[in-house]
Amino acid sequence: DGGITQSPKYLFRKEGQNVTLSCEQNLNHDAMYWYRQDPGQGLRLIYYSQIVNDFQKGDIAEGYSVSREKKESFPLTVTSAQKNPTAFYLCASSRGAMNTEAFFGQGTRLTVV
Amino acid sequence: RKEVEQDPGPFNVPEGATVAFNCTYSNSASQSFFWYRQDCRKEPKLLMSVYSSGNEDGRFTAQLNRASQYISLLIRDSKLSDSATYLCVVRYDYKLSFGAGTTVTVRA
Repeated sequence: DGGITQSPKYLFRKEGQNVTLSCEQNLNHDAMYWYRQDPGQGLRLIYYSQIVNDFQKGDIAEGYSVSREKKESFPLTVTSAQKNPTAFYLCASSRGAMNTEAFFGQGTRLTVV
Repeated sequence: RKEVEQDPGPFNVPEGATVAFNCTYSNSASQSFFWYRQDCRKEPKLLMSVYSSGNEDGRFTAQLNRASQYISLLIRDSKLSDSATYLCVVRYDYKLSFGAGTTVTVRA
């Protein structure tokens, strides 16, 4: 089945540690996105990538890093510089054409303990 | 000013009622518009795209007003299963911006 796979579903991290969230898609989409959602709030854009080996900062990129070495994969690293990393992280992809919607993975819930 | 703003609600309506809510966006060059539905602790899923001429999908009607920079969603004959948070999404180039969501609860 085609889709977007995020792993793990739940992740616990100690303060001061970096952690990497996985996102893989087999939809052959050009564009991929990372969003963060806090309880009772909307989605805020962290990073997005239009094409392999290229990505742009979103609205809240500080404390995060990404890579796009393959079309199918867009991992997100939450670094120790991110002061409040506990949140629900959502990865999405789209064909990238003007009127195309985005499809989401099931998300990763990150908790700092 | 936020790029996309929504009335947070909550809208608490009885089954069979009609409920409507709006979303405003700040970038007049925005190119495409969508409504997503998000259930509690789940990922958002596309409800419908919003076209300039307005469009319907069953009990759901979406409207776009480019001059006033707002989008609306109307739900007719509400069902219990319509209870969710509805997210307004605006695209400019590759960037997709989300509103904070409007919560709708349909009661029996």
